[in-house]
Amino acid sequence: GAGVSQSPSNKVTEKGKDVELRCDPISGHTALYWYRQSLGQGLEFLIYFQGNSAPDKSGLPSDRFSAERTGGSVSTLTIQRTQQEDSAVYLCASSRQLRNTEAFFGQGTRLTVV
Amino acid sequence: EDQVTQSPEALRLQEGESSSLNCSYTVSGLRGLFWYRQDPGKGPEFLFTLYSAGEEKEKERLKATLTKKESFLHITAPKPEDSATYLCAVGTQGGSEKLVFGKGTKLTVNP
Repeated sequence: GAGVSQSPSNKVTEKGKDVELRCDPISGHTALYWYRQSLGQGLEFLIYFQGNSAPDKSGLPSDRFSAERTGGSVSTLTIQRTQQEDSAVYLCASSRQLRNTEAFFGQGTRLTVV
Repeated sequence: EDQVTQSPEALRLQEGESSSLNCSYTVSGLRGLFWYRQDPGKGPEFLFTLYSAGEEKEKERLKATLTKKESFLHITAPKPEDSATYLCAVGTQGGSEKLVFGKGTKLTVNP
């Protein structure tokens, strides 16, 4: 596709359920990033991938959060046993390579935990 | 701890009324300072990267400048379509590719 694609665009889930958020980066982009944006807060770094490897996972809030990337392309962010404080917009970005500052963001997945 | 503070939180301008947005930062070592624009319901859109004090970049009505402690985004003769939230972020030296973002400045330009 022409841009970074995220699905679903909206997700409402019950507290305690697991959710999977998907990111399709721009074809050929080797670097992929996940951020979280909560109401009134700045973007919060979660994790980034270079290829299928994740050199920095330091932003993942707890062990309920995990992410993987396969084939150097699609990435999935999984949140287990969701809590209300997980409600936020989850944004994915990709760039052609690391240190390439022009990172392209998707439109995000709005997660609401009820 | 690396920090980014943006001011003001919100700014209302009349069309044609020039102004500046501020981004103050404290980092252990600056790899780059980034400006993004974000429209409601959309992901951030890249505008500029600045690497060293004294550097300036321009795009249409926007001009970004950088000092050792802050960056300014100058908006000259803004139009209503410039209304958006402008985000500032810093990348730090040390290996990680993560960006630390400020909370943004919401700009409204009235016709």
